[in-house]
Amino acid sequence: DAGVTQSPTHLIKTRGQHVTLRCSPISGHKSVSWYQQVLGQGPQFIFQYYEKEERGRGNFPDRFSARQFPNYSSELNVNALLLGDSALYLCASRTDGYDQPQHFGDGTRLSIL
Amino acid sequence: AQSVTQLDSQVPVFEEAPVELRCNYSSSVSVYLFWYVQYPNQGLQLLLKYLSGSTLVKGINGFEAEFNKSQTSFHLRKPSVHISDTAEYFCAVSDRAGGATNKLIFGTGTLLAVQP
Repeated sequence: DAGVTQSPTHLIKTRGQHVTLRCSPISGHKSVSWYQQVLGQGPQFIFQYYEKEERGRGNFPDRFSARQFPNYSSELNVNALLLGDSALYLCASRTDGYDQPQHFGDGTRLSIL
Repeated sequence: AQSVTQLDSQVPVFEEAPVELRCNYSSSVSVYLFWYVQYPNQGLQLLLKYLSGSTLVKGINGFEAEFNKSQTSFHLRKPSVHISDTAEYFCAVSDRAGGATNKLIFGTGTLLAVQP
């Protein structure tokens, strides 16, 4: 079975622009989470979606938004990009159950110029 | 709220030597514990997890970790490392009670640098 897939793998934007990152979870996984990993740090939680509803939100500004589609894929949107948004954005999915581990994709490397 | 501390930012070790990567956590509630590995330009791969039961858990690639509730630690060990183990290792916790989300709280990571 395919793992979590993310697109694009790399992206270069300039300050003030908008970006959309995409994620397809493992087949059968209804929960999708987004994390931001700044260089040299551990991933930071941004959002979790389950059955198309937002179930959790981390300490990120309103410029960050997300949604989940009926097929459980997800998009992360970031508006008015800042230099500090440069990071690896990771998507993770899991099957039902809070004791189930999250499985990560390879991420989207976003660079802001 | 939970937090995770990985005191060692980098651990150099020679090939075939044993290694221990330290992880301590802080939480007011019971947690699940995880170790993930990240190879260059890749996402995170689950090494092992502690949910309940035996405090010694075994994972992939010969790694194991021991949960110590009194010391709030979850150190990762391997008896003999290989060059291919060179990677960044992250300890993480999630709230056992669940609530609306089981978000992961990560440490800052430890770079395991295996030298020939």
